Amino acid sequence: KQEVTQIPAALSVPEGENLVLNCSFTDSAIYNLQWFRQDPGKGLTSLLLIQSSQREQTSGRLNASLDKSSGRSTLYIAASQPGDSATYLCVCTGGGNKLTFGTGTQLKVEL
Amino acid sequence: DAGVIQSPRHEVTEMGQEVTLRCKPISGHNSLFWYRQTMMRGLELLIYFNNNVPIDDSGMPEDRFSAKMPNASFSTLKIQPSEPRDSAVYFCASRRDRGQDEKLFFGSGTQLSVL
Repeated sequence: KQEVTQIPAALSVPEGENLVLNCSFTDSAIYNLQWFRQDPGKGLTSLLLIQSSQREQTSGRLNASLDKSSGRSTLYIAASQPGDSATYLCVCTGGGNKLTFGTGTQLKVEL
Repeated sequence: DAGVIQSPRHEVTEMGQEVTLRCKPISGHNSLFWYRQTMMRGLELLIYFNNNVPIDDSGMPEDRFSAKMPNASFSTLKIQPSEPRDSAVYFCASRRDRGQDEKLFFGSGTQLSVL
């Protein structure tokens, strides 16, 4: 059974800092890994999707990496802004289109 | 495209009443997922449809829950009778399954409160 863990569970940083969010998964047989953000009271917004054959994806200030052999993915946020404050979730897609959500990291970027 | 559309946004009902949640997936998407989110259990998959056919309903809590997808553009999740422990945010998500590079898109959710 796939288990996805995110560390840290919560993070508070000053504006402008570069930061890394971590995601670990136990079963490396995944088709892809997707990072989402969720704002309070809102739905999930897709940020980046990394296919199993890829090592990383970039979008603006965001960079996500994938290392299947070690069961890890990282989301790097450069020059963090208060608007980045949200909960970040990583999701693994496995066999049978089964999605396993991570435990989430609640990020707060302070002025 | 307007994205995945869910209705209602908020639902407050009394225990024992029937609740129907609605979802319109993104046009062209052939997979649809219903999720429930609570503080205690996080996001849980309830049911997954592919090409309007239920593929995996192992996450449906009990017989009080049922889901239908009569066509490619509409799905419902029904709870009858509702109970206070059903209170949660219910999300619908859709995806076009064509290779691996297909993102999952979520609706804004339905906040359900059963009193």
